[in-house]
Amino acid sequence: QVQLVQSGAEVKKPGASVTVSCKASGYTFSSYYMHWVRQAPGQGLEWMGMINPSSGATSYAKKFQGRVTMTRDTSTTTVNMVLSSLRSEDTAVYYCARDRVAETVSYYFDYWGQGTLVSVSS
Amino acid sequence: DLQLTQSPSSVSASVGDRVTITCRASQDTSTWLAWYQQKPGKAPKLLIYAASRLQGGVPSRFSGSGSGTDFTLTISSLQPEDFATYYCQQAMSFPFTFGPGTKVDI
Repeated sequence: QVQLVQSGAEVKKPGASVTVSCKASGYTFSSYYMHWVRQAPGQGLEWMGMINPSSGATSYAKKFQGRVTMTRDTSTTTVNMVLSSLRSEDTAVYYCARDRVAETVSYYFDYWGQGTLVSVSS
Repeated sequence: DLQLTQSPSSVSASVGDRVTITCRASQDTSTWLAWYQQKPGKAPKLLIYAASRLQGGVPSRFSGSGSGTDFTLTISSLQPEDFATYYCQQAMSFPFTFGPGTKVDI
């Protein structure tokens, strides 16, 4: 069965960086794009970007360009998301979410990780 | 960015009721639209993609319709496990935006 298991909660100070990992299992890792979506407390969902696990190619939402980096490790079937220059507004639950379609990209998200709470506070 | 609005923002309903949620896009999205269900403390769950296609494993009481700028999600007979927040999401253009959500409660 498809599983996406994310790393644990983080507490960071403003200006720091955070790394959230997402370990995938139960499917061919390199065949499905992975997306990152975040949700501030009590708020809606916000798409941050995506990575092609096969090539490592990435696309980021303009809002996060320059601050976000997504990478993958095919040997451990893990995708990582690094967000830098953290500010209080980055406090949110961060989700990895698999694209619905193999070998291409549909921009629909069919499996999600459990979420990782990142808290940014001085 | 392509903006999505949802109405109503919340709806109170009873088990067995028919519930309809509307999503409106600021630009033509053709049928590049999905619906998700989210329960408190949980990740969203894909219900509908391509405006009207039911994701595998999702009960048939959920249906989606629409194209262009106006879309609807219908729950034909509300069940206790359907009380949740529902989001639409456009897959037409970067960045892929979500609607603000509609909370369905008792």
